[in-house]
Amino acid sequence: GAVVSQHPSWVICKSGTSVKIECRSLDFQATTMFWYRQFPKQSLMLMATSNEGSKATYEQGVEKDKFLINHASLTLSTLTVTSAHPEDSSFYICSAPGLANTGELFFGEGSRLTVL
Amino acid sequence: AQSVTQLGSHVSVSEGALVLLRCNYSSSVPPYLFWYVQYPNQGLQLLLKYTSAATLVKGINGFEAEFKKSETSFHLTKPSAHMSDAAEYFCAVSSMDTGRRALTFGSGTRLQVQP
Repeated sequence: GAVVSQHPSWVICKSGTSVKIECRSLDFQATTMFWYRQFPKQSLMLMATSNEGSKATYEQGVEKDKFLINHASLTLSTLTVTSAHPEDSSFYICSAPGLANTGELFFGEGSRLTVL
Repeated sequence: AQSVTQLGSHVSVSEGALVLLRCNYSSSVPPYLFWYVQYPNQGLQLLLKYTSAATLVKGINGFEAEFKKSETSFHLTKPSAHMSDAAEYFCAVSSMDTGRRALTFGSGTRLQVQP
């Protein structure tokens, strides 16, 4: 099956710094990837759709200058949390649709960000 | 727009008992429906999916779900719970027919399995 990998799994940073999270499709190409955010004991909220070679599409209420998304290749999308603050602490999960076009998304392992 | 409602944020069953996790959906187009499982600090793993073929869908780990259009439901069941089934379960609906391939998730149900 399709494998999506995220890095890092855990990151702790100081307030005001920027953090980059990588999402890779390991055995398939993904022109589209989705970034979700999950607060503790809550559901996944779609933040943005990452499009290879073009600008990301952000969901309403998501600050695009805060959460920079780059999809420079068919196997890599990155999410950069800029000038992070404690309220940005969360679990970030990326996903990509498989090639079979069944609607299924394949998820990365997630990245837990803690901003001190 | 699509949406999913999961009734019961917490469900507790005894080992060996029936598991029933409820999911109702709302969709303006024929839906694609999914159940995912999440273990602590991990991503999501697909349990099963409905994509307009058979209404009774069998998934991994002994789980199955039945699509009932008249009830707009897609409840997840397992005849006999195992301790390893303890996790968070999410029902999701796809917006594929609208050209948008992201999934919309329900609020999740935490399953506890008592020995």
